[in-house]
Amino acid sequence: AQSVTQLDSQVPVFEEAPVELRCNYSSSVSVYLFWYVQYPNQGLQLLLKYLSGSTLVKGINGFEAEFNKSQTSFHLRKPSVHISDTAEYFCAVRGTGNTPLVFGKGTRLSVIA
Amino acid sequence: DTEVTQTPKHLVMGMTNKKSLKCEQHMGHRAMYWYKQKAKKPPELMFVYSYEKLSINESVPSRFSPECPNSSLLNLHLHALQPEDSALYLCASSQTGGSGELFFGEGSRLTVL
Repeated sequence: AQSVTQLDSQVPVFEEAPVELRCNYSSSVSVYLFWYVQYPNQGLQLLLKYLSGSTLVKGINGFEAEFNKSQTSFHLRKPSVHISDTAEYFCAVRGTGNTPLVFGKGTRLSVIA
Repeated sequence: DTEVTQTPKHLVMGMTNKKSLKCEQHMGHRAMYWYKQKAKKPPELMFVYSYEKLSINESVPSRFSPECPNSSLLNLHLHALQPEDSALYLCASSQTGGSGELFFGEGSRLTVL
């Protein structure tokens, strides 16, 4: 079985500052990793995904994440945030054996003007 | 624009009512999902359909009854709900192989009085 730990429940950051949202996972098999974003009163939108290959993954809205197998991490970064990035961010993992997607508890990113 | 469409967006019902939530996708995906999301929490998996057959039921109470009439449609029938069932109900779809990336709808906000 897989599990996901998002180390920060809330991250406040000033506009145009860099941000990192941390995610660690646990799995006994190879995994696929995802970051989803949820804006208020909306569904979840895929930001980026790691399937295989290059460990640095670029996504939408200027976000990127790095897969680190030795540290079982998949941290999300953005070099300069905007007010519009204020949202809930979920890290998720899925085993390669078509097991259900497992979500972390989420990190609330609040961008301050 | 989301490619998974959920109706209605908002639903208010009494504990004795019968209502249904509907979900439609036209991406050719053969796996469809219902999730329940409470405020400030990650989505919780309820049901998974694969090739129109129920493959996962996460011990959901029988007052929730899923139905998959065809490969594009997914319904969730609601009967005799409790106030604690008030939540955002999210539908998602995915391919059955590969990474199984989930595509989410905007959700149906349910309030049980």
